[in-house]
Amino acid sequence: GQNIDQPTEMTATEGAIVQINCTYQTSGFNGLFWYQQHAGEAPTFLSYNVLDGLEEKGRFSSFLSRSKGYSYLLLKELQMKDSASYLCAVRDDRGSTLGRLYFGRGTQLTVWP
Amino acid sequence: DTEVTQTPKHLVMGMTNKKSLKCEQHMGHRAMYWYKQKAKKPPELMFVYSYEKLSINESVPSRFSPECPNSSLLNLHLHALQPEDSALYLCASSQDRDRGGSWWTQYFGPGTRLLVL
Repeated sequence: GQNIDQPTEMTATEGAIVQINCTYQTSGFNGLFWYQQHAGEAPTFLSYNVLDGLEEKGRFSSFLSRSKGYSYLLLKELQMKDSASYLCAVRDDRGSTLGRLYFGRGTQLTVWP
Repeated sequence: DTEVTQTPKHLVMGMTNKKSLKCEQHMGHRAMYWYKQKAKKPPELMFVYSYEKLSINESVPSRFSPECPNSSLLNLHLHALQPEDSALYLCASSQDRDRGGSWWTQYFGPGTRLLVL
């Protein structure tokens, strides 16, 4: 099966930078996604990586190293509204698992004023 | 427009009731998904429909019955549920299930919060 690991909780202050790491082990890797989920709400798509390197989208960036099975989500200029759970999810295409997305347990980020 | 809508937002039902959850998208997506999410846990995949055909059933109990009447709609019929089935039920869609890249990015609806008494 898949083994997706990310820290359970992180805290940071407004205006700071935070990096949320995600490691995974899967033999049918075909992309890694980051989602943001506020309490009681649906996950919102943030970023997608399938090739090695950094993808930047405004205050958010996501990095992938396929050889290391490692990704991180970088959040800059933190705002209070960034307090949420951040889910790392891996697409694994191996036969019967085609089209299946495996989620990590999520990292609960708390931003303090 | 990346909107997926779900109704109802909240649902309370007894263990003998029959109810249905509805999901709709008008983005022309051809893959649709049902997930179940418990508090402080990640979403768990239940079903995947691709081109209106059921392609993945994650060994979900038969008291949950999915239906895809057309490419825009996805239903989840509920019957004889148990209290442990109380959770947030999320619907998602993507342009395609098989192609990679942005075709496969899943967009989630707001969810239905279900309480089984």
